[in-house]
Amino acid sequence: NAGVTQTPKFQVLKTGQSMTLQCAQDMNHNSMYWYRQDPGMGLRLIYYSASEGTTDKGEVPNGYNVSRLNKREFSLRLESAAPSQTSVYFCASSLAGQPNYGYTFGSGTRLTVV
Amino acid sequence: QKEVEQNSGPLSVPEGAIASLNCTYSDRGSQSFFWYRQYSGKSPELIMSIYSNGDKEDGRFTAQLNKASQYVSLLIRDSQPSDSATYLCAVRFTGGGNKLTFGTGTQLKVEL
Repeated sequence: NAGVTQTPKFQVLKTGQSMTLQCAQDMNHNSMYWYRQDPGMGLRLIYYSASEGTTDKGEVPNGYNVSRLNKREFSLRLESAAPSQTSVYFCASSLAGQPNYGYTFGSGTRLTVV
Repeated sequence: QKEVEQNSGPLSVPEGAIASLNCTYSDRGSQSFFWYRQYSGKSPELIMSIYSNGDKEDGRFTAQLNKASQYVSLLIRDSQPSDSATYLCAVRFTGGGNKLTFGTGTQLKVEL
């Protein structure tokens, strides 16, 4: 099925460990995004990639890095995980230059840092 | 700071009633507006988009936009228990590129 695929779906890390969250879309979208969702805080933008070859910080980038590997793939890396990074992470994609076009979200990664 | 505000709820309505969900935003020049539905433990799903003042209808859903008053609303007619979810309002702000800013969502409960 066409859409946005995220891996893994669940992950438990110890404080200080690193990991990479993977995201791939097969809808030929230009723009890709990483959000985190915490209770009472809504969806907050971590990083985004407006087009292949570009990345920019969002609202809450500290402690994260991203790589836009190609048009399809956009990964999020936690170099040294902290308990404050316990959250649900969503990847999304959209068409650039189309203001009336919404996002398509992946199924999410539930990350717990202990 | 450009913001999107929603009442967190829960909003409880009886089955068959009209549910009315509201959202206000801070930038008068905003271009486009979206409603997402999110079931517990699932990812957000786009249900409506609107860009022009007035109403837009899609089945049991109607989105209403008033740019002068800076609010957007979602009406759900003939509410069903399956409509119980959190509804997220999202705004594409002027000058924000393609990014969406989300409200914190309103939890809707449709009771039998």
